[in-house]
Amino acid sequence: AQSVTQLDSQVPVFEEAPVELRCNYSSSVSVYLFWYVQYPNQGLQLLLKYLSGSTLVKGINGFEAEFNKSQTSFHLRKPSVHISDTAEYFCAVSEGQGYSTLTFGKGTMLLVSP
Amino acid sequence: GAVVSQHPSWVICKSGTSVKIECRSLDFQATTMFWYRQFPKQSLMLMATSNEGSKATYEQGVEKDKFLINHASLTLSTLTVTSAHPEDSSFYICSAKDQGLPYEQYFGPGTRLTVT
Repeated sequence: AQSVTQLDSQVPVFEEAPVELRCNYSSSVSVYLFWYVQYPNQGLQLLLKYLSGSTLVKGINGFEAEFNKSQTSFHLRKPSVHISDTAEYFCAVSEGQGYSTLTFGKGTMLLVSP
Repeated sequence: GAVVSQHPSWVICKSGTSVKIECRSLDFQATTMFWYRQFPKQSLMLMATSNEGSKATYEQGVEKDKFLINHASLTLSTLTVTSAHPEDSSFYICSAKDQGLPYEQYFGPGTRLTVT
């Protein structure tokens, strides 16, 4: 069965600093990987996804993530954060050749302060 | 494109009553919709997968008689919480899969249910 680990429940950073949110997954088969952002009392918005091909994936709002199969990781990065990036970030995995259900990590709260 | 709406956005009901939440795909056809539950400061937990025209598939531990799911059309799925109790209070989020883009789920804005 697939699982997702987000080790950091909260990451505080200053505005304009770089940030990395960590995500590790466990699966015995090939996976599709996703990062979602959730603002308070809202649904989830897709930031980026890895399905195949280039391991460096660029998403919206200046975010990018790198798929590392040997380390089973899919860390999310942004070189310079804004106050508006303050939100909850979820890593998710879908397993197999076809599309199956999403399994979410517990989320990382990114807190950007001035 | 790919917008999913939920109605209502929030609802307060008395213990013992039933509440229906609607999930609509506004600009695409969704053969599959998913219902999630999210407790405060926690992740999303999949409750059930809903396929148009067939019975929903519930995750282990989810009471199918309590959480009734109907997916009668390609753009609408409903979740009915029957005989609600305070412990059912939660944030319920639906998502829909575009039949033309099988690798992506589009999420609704969520419904906050409070049972008093």
